[in-house]
Amino acid sequence: KQEVTQIPAALSVPEGENLVLNCSFTDSAIYNLQWFRQDPGKGLTSLLLIQSSQREQTSGRLNASLDKSSGRSTLYIAASQPGDSATYLCAVVGETSGSRLTFGEGTQLTVNP
Amino acid sequence: GAGVSQSPRYKVAKRGQDVALRCDPISGHVSLFWYQQALGQGPEFLTYFQNEAQLDKSGLPSDRFFAERPEGSVSTLKIQRTQQEDSAVYLCASSLVAGGIPVYEQYFGPGTRLTVT
Repeated sequence: KQEVTQIPAALSVPEGENLVLNCSFTDSAIYNLQWFRQDPGKGLTSLLLIQSSQREQTSGRLNASLDKSSGRSTLYIAASQPGDSATYLCAVVGETSGSRLTFGEGTQLTVNP
Repeated sequence: GAGVSQSPRYKVAKRGQDVALRCDPISGHVSLFWYQQALGQGPEFLTYFQNEAQLDKSGLPSDRFFAERPEGSVSTLKIQRTQQEDSAVYLCASSLVAGGIPVYEQYFGPGTRLTVT
């Protein structure tokens, strides 16, 4: 059964810092990996989608990398801002799990002004 | 264009009542998913539709949970005889498909927060 782990569970940084969020998954047979952010009381906003054949994806200040063989992904946030404060979730679609996403428990990020 | 919408946004039910949660996916999205999110946890898969066909319902926690998508667009998740452990946020997502391979992003609605008292 696929398990997704995110470290750290919570992170507090001063504004302007570059930071890295980590995600690991136990079964490397995946179609893709997706990073989301979730604001309190809201749904999930898709940030980046990385296909299994890709190594990284970039969107603005965000860069996500994927090392499928070792079961790891990182989300790099450059020059963090208070508006980045949210919970960040990673999720994978496994090759043997249909089309469902399997989620980690998230990293709660606070960026202090 | 419009995103995924869900209604109601909040629902309070007395234990034993039946509830129905609605999801309107993005127009043209063939795939539709329901997830359940407990407080402080990541979402957990409930069920998946491709058009009107329910291809996977392995995540439904009990036979009190039932989902349908009769015309391949709007979907309803029904919970019968609600219990306190059903209290959670219910999220709906939709996506495109390509030859049966899930290569596209899933887009999520705002969720319905269900509280069973």
